[in-house]
Amino acid sequence: ELKVEQNPLFLSMQEGKNYTIYCNYSTTSDRLYWYRQDPGKSLESLFVLLSNGAVKQEGRLMASLDTKARLSTLHITAAVHDLSATYFCAVERGGIQGAQKLVFGQGTRLTINP
Amino acid sequence: DTEVTQTPKHLVMGMTNKKSLKCEQHMGHRAMYWYKQKAKKPPELMFVYSYEKLSINESVPSRFSPECPNSSLLNLHLHALQPEDSALYLCASSRRGLEETQYFGPGTRLLVL
Repeated sequence: ELKVEQNPLFLSMQEGKNYTIYCNYSTTSDRLYWYRQDPGKSLESLFVLLSNGAVKQEGRLMASLDTKARLSTLHITAAVHDLSATYFCAVERGGIQGAQKLVFGQGTRLTINP
Repeated sequence: DTEVTQTPKHLVMGMTNKKSLKCEQHMGHRAMYWYKQKAKKPPELMFVYSYEKLSINESVPSRFSPECPNSSLLNLHLHALQPEDSALYLCASSRRGLEETQYFGPGTRLLVL
């Protein structure tokens, strides 16, 4: 059974600081996704990581994937308040023609204080 | 158009009621999904439709009945729900491409009394 674990689950940080969220998964997968969810809202896709060593960056967020270590990281640089949200990683379990079967991590609730 | 729409936004129903949730996308995606999300928890996959056929049912109780009338529409029929079924129900869609992702709708917040 595929298990996806994030840490930390809660993160309170100051504006301007850097931090990293970790996502570990238990079985082999070539695809990993990061999503953002604001309170009371739906999920917004941030990154799709497709292969070992993949690195994607968008603004102050950078995501990477190490399939050998079964680890993805989401790095936040010089945090700003607007990045406060819950961040989920999700790993594709595979096995469906034409569709994805995602298993989500528990989510990391990020609060950025002025 | 990169939008998935869901109706209604909010729904309150009694345990004896029958109601339906609706999801629509016009992105040409051939995979559509229903998720259930409880407060402060990750989304849990319920059903997957691929090319309008039910591909996955994640052991969901029969009081939830999905339907995919065509490639743009996905319904979730609800009957005899329990209070513990109260949650945010999210619909998503995706295509199979090199860097596909799932696009989520805004969700229907369901309260079962």
